[in-house]
Amino acid sequence: GDSVTQTEGPVTVSESESLIINCTYSATSIAYPNLFWYVRYPGEGLQLLLKVITAGQKGSSRGFEATYNKETTSFHLQKASVQESDSAVYYCALAPANYGNEKITFGAGTKLTIKP
Amino acid sequence: EAAVTQSPRSKVAVTGGKVTLSCHQTNNHDYMYWYRQDTGHGLRLIHYSYVADSTEKGDIPDGYKASRPSQENFSLILELASLSQTAVYFCASSDEGRDTEVFFGKGTRLTVV
Repeated sequence: GDSVTQTEGPVTVSESESLIINCTYSATSIAYPNLFWYVRYPGEGLQLLLKVITAGQKGSSRGFEATYNKETTSFHLQKASVQESDSAVYYCALAPANYGNEKITFGAGTKLTIKP
Repeated sequence: EAAVTQSPRSKVAVTGGKVTLSCHQTNNHDYMYWYRQDTGHGLRLIHYSYVADSTEKGDIPDGYKASRPSQENFSLILELASLSQTAVYFCASSDEGRDTEVFFGKGTRLTVV
């Protein structure tokens, strides 16, 4: 089946430093899945951070970026300068294109703490 | 704003007891989902529903039942709770159709002792 592997947390980064959370995927059901990053802030539910459905494209939101790399089957999340408010759990996920949300596969999540 | 509300937010249950987790959405969404997350693992789909009075099995339905009495409400039922069902449970909703955004509740931490 499909699977997602991401940086094992917890990860601690100092404010204004750069960040990368690694995500690699294995999609046995389809060659080019849709890729997502979800974020869960403390006390909140998961919410969509960004989504990319085309290989080679980059998605961005709230200063975060992720590029869909089909050669390396990766979708790493990056930010040039983190803020304390970025402290959260980040989930990489994939879903077969043209299927419903019941087919989403999630990674284990990476807990990120930003030190002021 | 889209909202998915879970209750209770945390619960301690006794092995062999019955547990009901409730979920209410005000998004007017047709689809609702129940996931569980175990430490070190991703969210896994237990049951989902795309219309009232009907539920579908997800990837790990064993030991769980679901009930969708109305579009707004979706419950997860553990008839005989077991230690292995200790986890965080998330409810979610989405519009019908492909590639629609999923909206999640805040989660319920269930501990079975």
